[in-house]
Amino acid sequence: AQSVTQLGSHVSVSEGALVLLRCNYSSSVPPYLFWYVQYPNQGLQLLLKYTTGATLVKGINGFEAEFKKSETSFHLTKPSAHMSDAAEYFCAVSMIKAAGNKLTFGGGTRVLVKP
Amino acid sequence: ETGVTQSPTHLIKTRGQQVTLRCSSQSGHNTVSWYQQALGQGPQFIFQYYREEENGRGNFPPRFSGLQFPNYSSELNVNALELDDSALYLCASSFRGPTNYGYTFGSGTRLTVV
Repeated sequence: AQSVTQLGSHVSVSEGALVLLRCNYSSSVPPYLFWYVQYPNQGLQLLLKYTTGATLVKGINGFEAEFKKSETSFHLTKPSAHMSDAAEYFCAVSMIKAAGNKLTFGGGTRVLVKP
Repeated sequence: ETGVTQSPTHLIKTRGQQVTLRCSSQSGHNTVSWYQQALGQGPQFIFQYYREEENGRGNFPPRFSGLQFPNYSSELNVNALELDDSALYLCASSFRGPTNYGYTFGSGTRLTVV
């Protein structure tokens, strides 16, 4: 079984400040981990993913995330928030080689960026 | 390279009716997954189709069914609609292979059941 917990359903940051979105997962086998962004009335866009190799993963729009196995975490960060970062962010996990390779999502974190 | 296309974008149905949602997968992808996203929640896995057969299913009743066609496009059918079926339905395509691992999501179909 696999599950994802995102701490904080809403996060408010000032423009130019650090963005930190927390994600913890549970998985019985080594996981693949993902962060997606969803803008209003749109589908999901992949920000970044971890499969194997380097634990610090860089994605689009200046985002990065670090896989920490000992902490079962995959937190998302961006050094300087921009107004265009206002959106909802979802962390997801998938088990390697699982039938269907389904994605299990967290509940999401909505980011508000204040000018 | 075309992305994932879903139709229709919005739909209103009456409780008890049936609905069909459609998805065209991204070029080169052979697997289609469907997700239900209720308002304010993360997407929930409904099922996945690979080689025209269901290959993995989430915790959804049998009135949720699907098809995959030889061109890898897919349909999601929901019978006997209930009010709780109101949600954004997302289709995601991917390529099942030894090294490539990534999903491309469509923009979704917003279903409202009244």
